[in-house]
This record gives sequence, structure tokens and C-alpha cells, in this order.
Amino acid sequence: GESVGLHLPTLSVQEGDNSIINCAYSNSASDYFIWYKQESGKGPQFIIDIRSNMDKRQGQRVTVLLNKTVKHLSLQIAATQPGDSAVYFCAESNKGNDMRFGAGTRLTVKP
Amino acid sequence: NAGVTQTPKFQVLKTGQSMTLQCAQDMNHEYMSWYRQDPGMGLRLIHYSVGAGITDQGEVPNGYNVSRSTTEDFPLRLLSAAPSQTSVYFCASGLAEAYEQYFGPGTRLTVT
Repeated sequence: GESVGLHLPTLSVQEGDNSIINCAYSNSASDYFIWYKQESGKGPQFIIDIRSNMDKRQGQRVTVLLNKTVKHLSLQIAATQPGDSAVYFCAESNKGNDMRFGAGTRLTVKP
Repeated sequence: NAGVTQTPKFQVLKTGQSMTLQCAQDMNHEYMSWYRQDPGMGLRLIHYSVGAGITDQGEVPNGYNVSRSTTEDFPLRLLSAAPSQTSVYFCASGLAEAYEQYFGPGTRLTVT
């Protein structure tokens, strides 16, 4: 079946560096994509979203890029801080009926 | 606003027991959903609701029932608990459909 997946399960970066977390999706009908951050013992927290009619969207220190040609989604975090350490999930939806999550990438920020 | 609240935070059940996980939100959101999260995996949708009186199945609905009698509450019922239902359960709500959702703190359920 079609699924959302991640290229890497873990990512370690130095404080102050930029982080890039990647995600592959296979459902070409998906029209909405979202990134969530989950800290230990907590529920996922919304970071940023993007619709399929866009290629790029920027937030505060975060940018999401969508490449529909290769079905690839990425989350860029600028000037990564220790507080960014968490598990990051990408998710996709087709017309908002449900949300399919990837397995997650654990980001560790080294001081 | 309290946001999305879930009770209990932890629960241990014996195989065959039933129980209800509670979820409430005070943001007047129409969309509510239940997910389970297993170790090393993403969240999987169990059931969702687009408004009071309307519910639908998600990816993994077997063994779970839901109802939505009010906008605020969306309880999840385990009819006969099985060890395979050991997981962390998250409730979420959103303004409409499955777009930007706000998650509760989760309920950690263990079935022995």
C-alpha cells in the first residue's frame, strides 16, 4: 500500500548548524503535508504545513520544501538549538479525510 | 483554554477487560481523532469525527468504538482489551478535517 516514510531514523547536528529532515511519500493524490515535533512524553506539536499547490513555505526558523515530481518533503531548521531535539514526523492527507504519519526522525542537537 | 485533555494518563488492563479513554477539547473544534503510537513508529489513525453525531473509521479501527454526542467530547472504548492494544493513545482536534491538529498529552495503556 501507499505510505509515508522517512529516509533516516536519526540525525545528529551541532548547535547552531542547520538541520534537514527528509520524508518520502508515495500517494500522489495527497494534497496536504504537515510536520510535527514530538518531545519525550508529550503529544505531537504542529510545526508547519504545506499544500500541494506550493513548493516552499517558511515559518520562524523552519522551511518546508515540497517536490511533487519525486514525491519528497523536507523540513529545514535554521540555527538548530538544543530545544529542537525531538522526534519529527511528516504526515500527509488526501482532502483532509485522514492523516498518515511517517515513522519519525530523532533529531539530537549537540552543544 | 485547557486545549485537548485526556484521562487517564496511565492504565493497566487485563486481557478481556473493557475501558473508555476520555478526550475533551475546549476550542470548539469540529474535527476530533484518535491515534495510537507504537514504539519506533508513527501515529496510526483509529477513528475520527467531523462533528457531533458523525464518526468514521481510520487505518486501524478493529477493537475500538467511538461516539461523538457533543462537540467537546470524543471517548474511545476498548470492548475487550488484548495485548496487541498496548500502546500510547493520542487524541487530537482541529478546526476542520485532518488539517493542523492539536494533540493531547496521551494515555499510556498496557494490556497484560
